[in-house]
Amino acid sequence: AQTVTQSQPEMSVQEAETVTLSCTYDTSESDYYLFWYKQPPSRQMILVIRQEAYKQQNATENRFSVNFQKAAKSFSLKISDSQLGDAAMYFCAFHRFQGAQKLVFGQGTRLTINP
Amino acid sequence: DGGITQSPKYLFRKEGQNVTLSCEQNLNHDAMYWYRQDPGQGLRLIYYSQIVNDFQKGDIAEGYSVSREKKESFPLTVTSAQKNPTAFYLCASSRDGGNTEAFFGQGTRLTVV
Repeated sequence: AQTVTQSQPEMSVQEAETVTLSCTYDTSESDYYLFWYKQPPSRQMILVIRQEAYKQQNATENRFSVNFQKAAKSFSLKISDSQLGDAAMYFCAFHRFQGAQKLVFGQGTRLTINP
Repeated sequence: DGGITQSPKYLFRKEGQNVTLSCEQNLNHDAMYWYRQDPGQGLRLIYYSQIVNDFQKGDIAEGYSVSREKKESFPLTVTSAQKNPTAFYLCASSRDGGNTEAFFGQGTRLTVV
């Protein structure tokens, strides 16, 4: 079974600084997808960024980028130039490429932005 | 507008009663999911469905039941067998179950009184 682990329950960063959120996962499969979702106080889940495991290039979306280390089964999220609106819970998620299509989430990291 | 709708937003249940949470999507998505979120915790998968008339248990299916009679609808019933049902419940859907993002409803807060 796939598992996703986020070892940082809480993180904080100064506005305009850079922060990295960690995520590791466990799977025996070679093809899969990884996601970072953001959950602000409204509790509406929002996709931040996705990565296909077969792609070696790290995904980027504006101020958000990932460091995908397939051999280490690591998928960290870097937020550059942090803004007050980035404050939220961040969840790492794993999705199989084929077979039973479960979408599995980590425990989440609560990110606080200090002005 | 296309989207995924959960209702109601808040739900109160007496102990020993079954209650059904609604989830409807008009995105023409094949896959649908139900998650439970407890305070300060992650999302735990209850049930998921990849196609009409088929669904699979997730990690915490005990005390819950689902149906998928229509592509658009995936209701979740919280039965009296669920020992600690007070939680926030999220429904999600995705197009092909893997490559595309999952879209989420706004959630239902269930409280047992």
